[in-house]
Amino acid sequence: DTGVSQDPRHKITKRGQNVTFRCDPISEHNRLYWYRQTLGQGPEFLTYFQNEAQLEKSRLLSDRFSAERPKGSFSTLEIQRTEQGDSAMYLCASSLVSSGGEQFFGPGTRLTVL
Amino acid sequence: RKEVEQDPGPFNVPEGATVAFNCTYSNSASQSFFWYRQDCRKEPKLLMSVYSSGNEDGRFTAQLNRASQYISLLIRDSKLSDSATYLCVENTNAGKSTFGDGTTLTVKP
Repeated sequence: DTGVSQDPRHKITKRGQNVTFRCDPISEHNRLYWYRQTLGQGPEFLTYFQNEAQLEKSRLLSDRFSAERPKGSFSTLEIQRTEQGDSAMYLCASSLVSSGGEQFFGPGTRLTVL
Repeated sequence: RKEVEQDPGPFNVPEGATVAFNCTYSNSASQSFFWYRQDCRKEPKLLMSVYSSGNEDGRFTAQLNRASQYISLLIRDSKLSDSATYLCVENTNAGKSTFGDGTTLTVKP
């Protein structure tokens, strides 16, 4: 399968715990995006990378959220001290800079914070 | 006011109907626009890009009006399989994407 993959697909955690999600983009794609989506809402932009550089981070994102893309390939999103309000679907997408912004999404990681 | 606004619907139409969705955006610097389709509990999938000159892909037609800052999607001859949520998205030149909250379409037999 050459699409975007995400791991894990589901995560249940207790409030206050740290969680880390992984995204593997389409191999030749140089841009990688993280979004959060809750029921009835569209994907909410969190951050994006071009190669290994993190170019923008949403102002809505608290300091508990951090993302990395150390070698310009896969990326991780970590949430520290999780809160119930963090419960959502976390989506990753990738694209080619030259494609004009067409993004391809992974299946998402569904996070439930108890 | 949200940066990208869509009528949430739901739009309930019979098979074979023509239905149109609009999406307005507030960032005049937006560079590119797309429509995505999202099925229940699935990830968004790219439906089509949107160009100022208008573009068509089978039963789907997309249009961009920069002066009025809106994009549209027209679906002709609706099929049951078209039932989904349709998301519009605008991208800035810097690469940031902003999605609308989607319009829900239900096509009924």
